[in-house]
Amino acid sequence: NAGVMQNPRHLVRRRGQEARLRCSPMKGHSHVYWYRQLPEEGLKFMVYLQKENIIDESGMPKERFSAEFPKEGPSILRIQQVVRGDSAAYFCASSRQGAMGTDTQYFGPGTRLTVL
Amino acid sequence: TQLLEQSPQFLSIQEGENLTVYCNSSSVFSSLQWYRQEPGEGPVLLVTVVTGGEVKKLKRLTFQFGDARKDSSLHITAAQPGDTGLYLCAGARAGGSNYKLTFGKGTLLTVNP
Repeated sequence: NAGVMQNPRHLVRRRGQEARLRCSPMKGHSHVYWYRQLPEEGLKFMVYLQKENIIDESGMPKERFSAEFPKEGPSILRIQQVVRGDSAAYFCASSRQGAMGTDTQYFGPGTRLTVL
Repeated sequence: TQLLEQSPQFLSIQEGENLTVYCNSSSVFSSLQWYRQEPGEGPVLLVTVVTGGEVKKLKRLTFQFGDARKDSSLHITAAQPGDTGLYLCAGARAGGSNYKLTFGKGTLLTVNP
């Protein structure tokens, strides 16, 4: 039973390029969450998606960042025109249901983004 | 403002010793989770606690959720080198948006043989 899968595991981009991070949730999970872990910081919530819907993007920067979870295929976190401050580990988590207390978020291995 | 404060930030002990790490907040959480994260990997869930005062045991690990659901502790008995890692607590705030996990910065534990 595969867990949450993320690819690529490591991504290097130059300033101004685009970064695309992919996340495939666990089988049977229809809720996806993205978190960012900056150096020396804890994980910070970015966005919560269900299939074809963005439920909460309050933690995501208003500019250059977007996320989607299409009907078919993985969830995508897209960062346009990357800057050095975007360098971080980006983690995806999935859950069977959206409410905590009766559900649990399972995390993928992360994508380490380095912006040169 | 860090909503979840973890202490200590770093802990280095010898194999066989006992230890406790703490996770404190002024906010109430509907549930709290403990994760362990290895370098270069994602957080791996250890336990979820939901009820105030709840105590859960996982082999040599004992987790407690405070009565007021504002704090939690993780106690490890007879630590082993395999316990080395970053221990993270994460809470789901009570009320709406309870899917947003708030993470502490973690306790980096090193168990020396």
